[in-house]
Amino acid sequence: GQNIDQPTEMTATEGAIVQINCTYQTSGFNGLFWYQQHAGEAPTFLSYNVLDGLEEKGRFSSFLSRSKGYSYLLLKELQMKDSASYLCAVRDQTGANNLFFGTGTRLTVIP
Amino acid sequence: DTEVTQTPKHLVMGMTNKKSLKCEQHMGHRAMYWYKQKAKKPPELMFVYSYEKLSINESVPSRFSPECPNSSLLNLHLHALQPEDSALYLCASSQDITSGSYEQYFGPGTRLTVT
Repeated sequence: GQNIDQPTEMTATEGAIVQINCTYQTSGFNGLFWYQQHAGEAPTFLSYNVLDGLEEKGRFSSFLSRSKGYSYLLLKELQMKDSASYLCAVRDQTGANNLFFGTGTRLTVIP
Repeated sequence: DTEVTQTPKHLVMGMTNKKSLKCEQHMGHRAMYWYKQKAKKPPELMFVYSYEKLSINESVPSRFSPECPNSSLLNLHLHALQPEDSALYLCASSQDITSGSYEQYFGPGTRLTVT
């Protein structure tokens, strides 16, 4: 099975940096995805990690440590529009390569 | 075109009604998915189609019936639903299910209310 944990809620200030953590336990790890989801809208893809290390994409970076079962999403220069839920999802090849989502972290950016 | 479209956007139905949700993509993706998402919860996988064949059925009740008429279209037929089935139904697609690197693209969802 899969067990994916994220903090439920976080609050950060506009212009600041925030780190959203995700820990996972899965038998057939085959990649980790981060998605952003605004309330009532579809999840949109942010990043993908399959090897250890940091992937940077503009204001967003994602880190993976497979040995620790750990990932984080780093958001820099926060903007009000970054207020959303951030979903960590693990692809499990023993689960037909399907995505298994964590509960999501609701980020609120305040002025 | 990296868009997945879903219709209708909103649907209200009674417990005795029959309705269908529709999903379409023109990215040439060969895997399509149905997810159910309750408020403040993550998406839960319902069905996976790979090359127009049902690959995964995650123990979904028979009142939900998926159909994949062709590689671009995915339907979800609804019959005799319960109020607890009220949720956001998301469709997604990806290149295929064999490669781990392919992300899933999600549609905007259908907000379903069962009265």
